[in-house]
Amino acid sequence: GNSVTQMEGPVTLSEEAFLTINCTYTATGYPSLFWYVQYPGEGLQLLLKATKADDKGSNKGFEATYRKETTSFHLEKGSVQVSDSAVYFCALSDQTGGFKTIFGAGTRLFVKA
Amino acid sequence: DAGVTQSPTHLIKTRGQQVTLRCSPISGHKSVSWYQQVLGQGPQFIFQYYEKEERGRGNFPDRFSARQFPNYSSELNVNALLLGDSALYLCASSLGAATGELFFGEGSRLTVL
Repeated sequence: GNSVTQMEGPVTLSEEAFLTINCTYTATGYPSLFWYVQYPGEGLQLLLKATKADDKGSNKGFEATYRKETTSFHLEKGSVQVSDSAVYFCALSDQTGGFKTIFGAGTRLFVKA
Repeated sequence: DAGVTQSPTHLIKTRGQQVTLRCSPISGHKSVSWYQQVLGQGPQFIFQYYEKEERGRGNFPDRFSARQFPNYSSELNVNALLLGDSALYLCASSLGAATGELFFGEGSRLTVL
């Protein structure tokens, strides 16, 4: 079945460092890909999305490019801030047996001042 | 505008009991999905309802059931609770059945003793 694998955390960075969180997927067809973020004490919220190959999703300085040839959707940010500390989930849409979103296990990011 | 609201926010049950969790979607959203998030893992899909019909079901036992009401609110029921049912139960709403972006509530944290 369809699945998402993302790098294990926690990831600890200093403020203004470059961030990469790796995400690869297994899917039949052409799913949409997402990054969701869960800030401390808050609910999950969509960070960015891409709906077809070579699309780049971006939001709040974060970017991810839908790479069909490598089945990847890595999350990047050029300069992280303390406020980016959160858990990040890579996800894909799956329309087999009904519509659902499949999530990775999540990667916790700590950013130190 | 009100977001997705869930109740109760926390509850404690004992093994064998039954629980009902409630969700009100964002106004105008007709689809509600339920997810289970065990500590340290990503959300796992349980059900999707759209226009009061079940459109998808995840790999959960028949002890789990749900329904959607004419006002698009939803209930998730879990019977014969097991210790392993302890988790954060998330409700998400979306505009349509196959809309990629999910809007999540803050969840109902269930502890089974």
